[in-house]
Amino acid sequence: AQSVTQLGSHVSVSEGALVLLRCNYSSSVPPYLFWYVQYPNQGLQLLLKYTTGATLVKGINGFEAEFKKSETSFHLTKPSAHMSDAAEYFCAVSDRETSGSRLTFGEGTQLTVNP
Amino acid sequence: NAGVTQTPKFQVLKTGQSMTLQCAQDMNHNSMYWYRQDPGMGLRLIYYSASEGTTDKGEVPNGYNVSRLNKREFSLRLESAAPSQTSVYFCASRSIGDSNQPQHFGDGTRLSIL
Repeated sequence: AQSVTQLGSHVSVSEGALVLLRCNYSSSVPPYLFWYVQYPNQGLQLLLKYTTGATLVKGINGFEAEFKKSETSFHLTKPSAHMSDAAEYFCAVSDRETSGSRLTFGEGTQLTVNP
Repeated sequence: NAGVTQTPKFQVLKTGQSMTLQCAQDMNHNSMYWYRQDPGMGLRLIYYSASEGTTDKGEVPNGYNVSRLNKREFSLRLESAAPSQTSVYFCASRSIGDSNQPQHFGDGTRLSIL
């Protein structure tokens, strides 16, 4: 069974500082990996995904993530935080071996951006 | 584009009442999902429908039933609501086949059970 661990349920950064949100997965084979963002009172929006190919993936709003197989990690970064980045972020994995398969989500990380 | 539409957006029920949460998608997706979101627990899968005519249990199916009415619609029913079912419910859909396709989410239904 797959699992996803997001280290840190709350992360606080200053505006303009580096954002680093951590995600580690547990899977018998390299899965497909996703980061979603959730703004207050809204659904989840896809930030980026890793399937195959380049291990550094760029997403929307200046975010990127790097797939590191040796570390079973898919950490999300942004060089310079903006106030509008304050939201909850979810890492998710999908078993690439199963057609029509399900996503397994991490518990989420609430990002606070301080002025 | 509407994407995934959930109704209602908010609902308050009394313990023991029944209710159906509606979900419709206009993206011609085959797979549809129901999740619940609780603080500190991320999203947990209740039921899903990989394709029209099929439904399967997820992590937390107890107390819920689902109906895949057609390709567009996937409803979630609480037959006898309990306070433990107070949560935010999200419906999602995805195109068929490839596990690398993202799920598209609705804006959620906020359900309180007194």
